Amino acid sequence: TAGITQAPTSQILAAGRSMTLRCTQDMRHNAMYWYRQDLGLGLRLIHYSNTAGTTGKGEVPDGYSVSRANTDDFPLTLASAVPSQTSVYFCASSEGTGGADTQYFGPGTRLTVL
Amino acid sequence: SQKIEQNSEALNIQEGKTATLTCNYTNYSPAYLQWYRQDPGRGPVFLLLIRENEKEKRKERLKVTFDTTLKQSLFHITASQPADSATYLCALERWGFKTIFGAGTRLFVKA
Repeated sequence: TAGITQAPTSQILAAGRSMTLRCTQDMRHNAMYWYRQDLGLGLRLIHYSNTAGTTGKGEVPDGYSVSRANTDDFPLTLASAVPSQTSVYFCASSEGTGGADTQYFGPGTRLTVL
Repeated sequence: SQKIEQNSEALNIQEGKTATLTCNYTNYSPAYLQWYRQDPGRGPVFLLLIRENEKEKRKERLKVTFDTTLKQSLFHITASQPADSATYLCALERWGFKTIFGAGTRLFVKA
């Protein structure tokens, strides 16, 4: 079982350019999440989706947008990248049916904005 | 707002000993407290979950305790092995709020 896949694995991006990070899950989970992980700060929630067709803002949403057109895919877009968006980005999913929200993570995308 | 504190200093222990990692939180008690393992270059992997009305949970060599009075969870790995070397994250979940993750503690187990 693939679980969650993310693409690309890594990317170097010029400041001001746009980019979409892809995330796909095959577990039919309702909820999906995007986090960024920076040294010493842990995982910080960017955006989330409780179910297909809905999205919400997390702790650090500025400069990012998401969409959830179907259950499986949850792309994250940087409209105009800035160096402070250099980070490792993790996509995650959970059943989202209420109760404990154990999350399953993808392998991450390492993004460098120059 | 809710804050999670995990020891930012790495924990170094000898193989065979018990590793104990600490997770402290402020403000409200979570409904669930989870522990994840993260290896370098990989995403976190779920290990154990404990509910607010539970004191202790075990899984093989892993044990988690939860003290809502102290606002603290302890994560123990008994008979530690070099393969247990990783970063361990705690995460808090409460109904109506999104899960919050700690920054993690790095564990090194020496052979």
